[in-house]
Amino acid sequence: DVKVTQSSRYLVKRTGEKVFLECVQDMDHENMFWYRQDPGLGLRLIYFSYDVKMKEKGDIPEGYSVSREKKERFSLILESASTNQTSMYLCASIRQGEPYYGYTFGSGTRLTVV
Amino acid sequence: GQQLNQSPQSMFIQEGEDVSMNCTSSSIFNTWLWYKQDPGEGPVLLIALYKAGELTSNGRLTAQFGITRKDSFLNISASIPSDVGIYFCAGPLTGNQFYFGTGTSLTVIP
Repeated sequence: DVKVTQSSRYLVKRTGEKVFLECVQDMDHENMFWYRQDPGLGLRLIYFSYDVKMKEKGDIPEGYSVSREKKERFSLILESASTNQTSMYLCASIRQGEPYYGYTFGSGTRLTVV
Repeated sequence: GQQLNQSPQSMFIQEGEDVSMNCTSSSIFNTWLWYKQDPGEGPVLLIALYKAGELTSNGRLTAQFGITRKDSFLNISASIPSDVGIYFCAGPLTGNQFYFGTGTSLTVIP
């Protein structure tokens, strides 16, 4: 069963901490994405990566960075966590050139910053 | 970034009722997708539409690709409690990057 795995379902971190959210996919997909989801705002794209060591800013990259050292792993980094980064974070992947199958999403990480 | 206009934003219905929701875009899409997100989980693909005018069913779900290619519709017949969740429309605009609707939150009252 192919899947996208996010390492933590729930995280509680303190303001100012550096936070790592990990995402691993086993489908050999080239493209990976990080979204945050907030009530009434839908899914907003933070960063995406078309291939290893490549990264592109999405719509709301401020306060975040990413790392893609291996094809299967895409990490989201909150350099200095703030309370307004409390949210549900979703990782997704898709095979290059096959948009008609849509993304495969992970189960999400609900992050609370206190 | 682009957002798709999805309505209604939320629905509260009795078990057994039918549900309709829609999604519109200012841009033309070649693919429309519908996802469902169960509480506390990530979205899961329900239906994919690839051609204007296409009508596709998946059990009690039926989705249509609007003929203008700027809208899509999802219907759920005879709702049951496990239909509860958030439904998202999505469409690819450039490459493999998808844009999502703001979601329709469905509550089914037994």
